[in-house]
Amino acid sequence: GESVGLHLPTLSVQEGDNSIINCAYSNSASDYFIWYKQESGKGPQFIIDIRSNMDKRQGQRVTVLLNKTVKHLSLQIAATQPGDSAVYFCAENFGGSNYKLTFGKGTLLTVNP
Amino acid sequence: DGGITQSPKYLFRKEGQNVTLSCEQNLNHDAMYWYRQDPGQGLRLIYYSQIVNDFQKGDIAEGYSVSREKKESFPLTVTSAQKNPTAFYLCASSPPPDTEAFFGQGTRLTVV
Repeated sequence: GESVGLHLPTLSVQEGDNSIINCAYSNSASDYFIWYKQESGKGPQFIIDIRSNMDKRQGQRVTVLLNKTVKHLSLQIAATQPGDSAVYFCAENFGGSNYKLTFGKGTLLTVNP
Repeated sequence: DGGITQSPKYLFRKEGQNVTLSCEQNLNHDAMYWYRQDPGQGLRLIYYSQIVNDFQKGDIAEGYSVSREKKESFPLTVTSAQKNPTAFYLCASSPPPDTEAFFGQGTRLTVV
């Protein structure tokens, strides 16, 4: 899961297993959250988002859970595949007319065949 | 195709020189952003712009400058005042707030 340390947290799973990546966000006023996937040497790609009036949102093979009480966000990937290997970032928007998007430190997911 | 184009992909700079990174988008997005990424690190916000001719400092603006003269373009200048400029630079854009940001493919800047 996420860490405030300098080193990138890592998660290693077997192909076919489910993965859970965690993120602790910083601002209790944040009302919009996004998960991004970044492959080596590329820009981040959107995976799924969730607004603060929701607790859960599902996409294709992915689910995002939001716990506002403890300011925690998680990304669940079902039946993880080798192509899911990447760094995953959560991002938060502080809400209102503020466009500023703040990113967490990321988690490196490695899927073993 | 719609998207965000960053150029060049790789850039080398001598110490003491300014260098400008290009970012162009044809998505008609109001907001544009510049992030810096160091190895094994997250994305840190340098500058962002919500509208033409307006921009705000992010968390690590020192040593950088930007302009937003056109909606489509948001160039970033890395000045000689930036003490450790070697990094991967990412540009992004988004429509109104509370929507996802779309990223370019990045520019890797190396100071030699």
